[in-house]
Amino acid sequence: QKEVEQNSGPLSVPEGAIASLNCTYSDRGSQSFFWYRQYSGKSPELIMSIYSNGDKEDGRFTAQLNKASQYVSLLIRDSQPSDSATYLCAVSAPSQGGKLIFGQGTELSVKP
Amino acid sequence: NAGVTQTPKFQVLKTGQSMTLQCAQDMNHNSMYWYRQDPGMGLRLIYYSASEGTTDKGEVPNGYNVSRLNKREFSLRLESAAPSQTSVYFCASNYGGQEETQYFGPGTRLLVL
Repeated sequence: QKEVEQNSGPLSVPEGAIASLNCTYSDRGSQSFFWYRQYSGKSPELIMSIYSNGDKEDGRFTAQLNKASQYVSLLIRDSQPSDSATYLCAVSAPSQGGKLIFGQGTELSVKP
Repeated sequence: NAGVTQTPKFQVLKTGQSMTLQCAQDMNHNSMYWYRQDPGMGLRLIYYSASEGTTDKGEVPNGYNVSRLNKREFSLRLESAAPSQTSVYFCASNYGGQEETQYFGPGTRLLVL
């Protein structure tokens, strides 16, 4: 089992729809969770961080964390073509000295 | 305030050649990181430096060396490049440990022939 696993994608949604990106992780002791967005040929940039169970909202973005199920998700409401990018899930791994482990990323395409 | 800068942006090497990738940050961050990104693999940590004067291995350190020159600068050296080191290399930094938000540089694309 991969330490951090994301939907393989690509995920295609129409403009205005809700995009749902999912991530599972294997280290039960993980405390810090991040979603980064990466446009093609660019560097990752932070979208959301979440540390507690439940939902965290920031504009059109909502991160959801369920530590019992070892699951973190990112919802993008009213998706726009400018949201088309690869989304990286990153999880801290206490079993590896607190290193940040990245998933392989999910490519999102928002069609006008 | 430039954030995290990296040089060069792109480099082509022949197998066996050496080179150093440079990274600098002007955010007064304590910690700095080197990652490589390969298709379908996500970002993998090569080395990191929790503070000036310290360095530690990450997930894929073989074939690389690092130097934390001062608080601002963290360099990555390939002593004898191999085609398997063809990748995009990102430098990142933050104030604290890896559990905190990291800020990434623009990346260096390296092709080893």
